[in-house]
Amino acid sequence: GNSVTQMEGPVTLSEEAFLTINCTYTATGYPSLFWYVQYPGEGLQLLLKATKADDKGSNKGFEATYRKETTSFHLEKGSVQVSDSAVYFCALASGNQFYFGTGTSLTVIP
Amino acid sequence: SQTIHQWPATLVQPVGSPLSLECTVEGTSNPNLYWYRQAAGRGLQLLFYSVGIGQISSEVPQNLSASRPQDRQFILSSKKLLLSDSGFYLCAWGRGDPPNEQYFGPGTRLTVT
Repeated sequence: GNSVTQMEGPVTLSEEAFLTINCTYTATGYPSLFWYVQYPGEGLQLLLKATKADDKGSNKGFEATYRKETTSFHLEKGSVQVSDSAVYFCALASGNQFYFGTGTSLTVIP
Repeated sequence: SQTIHQWPATLVQPVGSPLSLECTVEGTSNPNLYWYRQAAGRGLQLLFYSVGIGQISSEVPQNLSASRPQDRQFILSSKKLLLSDSGFYLCAWGRGDPPNEQYFGPGTRLTVT
């Protein structure tokens, strides 16, 4: 079946630190992969996506590369800001459905 | 451009009362529509999805139901709420097979007392 596993949080970093949030997946076929971000009290917003192996998605300084050989889609950012504090969800799309990870809470302190 | 609306934004209901949450999408036609629930501090649980009017797939058997009376309208209902129904309900839409991406509404915070 399809599933997504992402690292447990919460993650607390100082401003300008390097961020990695790990995500691995199990899927039949060739899914599309996504990272969503959720700010407190809001719905989810698409952060970036990759639709095939070796694609790199990027947005707002965040990056993730679709690694078929390791079934991974780790989220990275070189220098986090306080405004990046949010919950991050890794997801895959297969058929008509999306499958989400459990979310990783990130807090960035000044 | 496409927009997705959910209402109400916040709801407090007693146990055993009925529920109706509404979601509408503007600016697109024949979208796939989804209802998710997010319990406090947890991930998203897919409840229902629909690929067309009157077509509903249920992912989790429970006391909730969904209906799609119009192309861009998706309703989540319950005849009798349970305490465990409390949570943050998110509606989303997407297109394609597999969907290129999903777009989420602002959510409804439901507290069952």
